[in-house]
Amino acid sequence: KQEVTQIPAALSVPEGENLVLNCSFTDSAIYNLQWFRQDPGKGLTSLLLIQSSQREQTSGRLNASLDKSSGRSTLYIAASQPGDSATYLCAVRQRDFGNEKLTFGTGTRLTIIP
Amino acid sequence: DTAVSQTPKYLVTQMGNDKSIKCEQNLGHDTMYWYKQDSKKFLKIMFSYNNKELIINETVPNRFSPKSPDKAHLNLHINSLELGDSAVYFCASSRGISQGRNEKLFFGSGTQLSVL
Repeated sequence: KQEVTQIPAALSVPEGENLVLNCSFTDSAIYNLQWFRQDPGKGLTSLLLIQSSQREQTSGRLNASLDKSSGRSTLYIAASQPGDSATYLCAVRQRDFGNEKLTFGTGTRLTIIP
Repeated sequence: DTAVSQTPKYLVTQMGNDKSIKCEQNLGHDTMYWYKQDSKKFLKIMFSYNNKELIINETVPNRFSPKSPDKAHLNLHINSLELGDSAVYFCASSRGISQGRNEKLFFGSGTQLSVL
């Protein structure tokens, strides 16, 4: 059974700093990994999707990496801004008993201190 | 122009009642999902429909019944609500398995259900 873990559960950093969020998963037989952000009282917004054959994806100040063999992914945020404050979740997509589904981690709550 | 919209945003009800949550997407997607987020913020899939056909049905009590009248709508009906059903329920959609596996999911803003 796939388990997705995100550590730490919460992180506070001063504005302007670069930071890394971590995601680990137990079953490496995945199709892809997605990073989402969730703002309080809102739904999830997909940030980046890395296919299993890829090593990284970049979008603006965000860079996500994937090491499938070791079951790890990181989300790097450069030059953090207060607007980056949110909960960040990673999710892996895989086949499970004939179905395909996403398994989510529990998230990292990020606070950027102005 | 909300891509995935669900109503109501908040739902407060008594134990034992029956309630429904509606979801609509205007993205032309083939696949829709219902996720439950518990008090610890853990998101877990409940159901998935592809072109109105059920393709994922996790271990969810029979009191939960999804209904897809067309591929743009996936409603969730809950019978005999229990205290443990209190959570945030998210609807989502994607282009669908037929488009390949590397399709992003688009989420609604959630329905916070509180059972008293």
